[in-house]
Amino acid sequence: DQQVKQNSPSLSVQEGRISILNCDYTNSMFDYFLWYKKYPAEGPTFLISISSIKDKNEDGRFTVFLNKSAKHLSLHIVPSQPGDSAVYFCAASALWGGSEKLVFGKGTKLTVNP
Amino acid sequence: EAGVTQFPSHSVIEKGQTVTLRCDPISGHDNLYWYRRVMGKEIKFLLHFVKESKQDESGMPNNRFLAERTGGTYSTLKVQPAELEDSGVYFCASTITTNTGELFFGEGSRLTVL
Repeated sequence: DQQVKQNSPSLSVQEGRISILNCDYTNSMFDYFLWYKKYPAEGPTFLISISSIKDKNEDGRFTVFLNKSAKHLSLHIVPSQPGDSAVYFCAASALWGGSEKLVFGKGTKLTVNP
Repeated sequence: EAGVTQFPSHSVIEKGQTVTLRCDPISGHDNLYWYRRVMGKEIKFLLHFVKESKQDESGMPNNRFLAERTGGTYSTLKVQPAELEDSGVYFCASTITTNTGELFFGEGSRLTVL
């Protein structure tokens, strides 16, 4: 069973508009939530994270919101740029089995059209 | 500073053959992880090294997979004998500290088993 779910496999937005990527999780034990960005033929690159004790974290054009009661987080990109086109993975971090490890969603492919 | 490097970038082998993937983490990163993405699915944890010790190998699919990190530097992941379902992209990641989930990923080694 998937503990981290990204229900939208793809999203297309116009340059300059807002991109909103969503993620749901099931395990209340996660202590950090992260977004990774991945270009084709490259590895995932860390983008932004949020601690489970916070509800918002902002870094430039990127903001992550966490709603613990709904077990939902979202990534907002404002304004969106063509270079933001990539696959975005939502990930959650927890300590279990003696190791801090990441659980990933399946990813959302974002396309920003000029 | 060099990032995480993985070799080979792509390997095509026949079912029943052996393949060894190599990962060189960022210098000074004691924590080294292996993750795998099977086509269309999420990126999944395989195992975690702290220096040369296996901290957690709960994600290893079966005993056909063997990971080593002799001397606490580079790591190898051997698949012997390879099966069709082993096809996917194997990512290596490293980090200094594990408590925030921020990992530095390599570009991945794509394994195709025919």
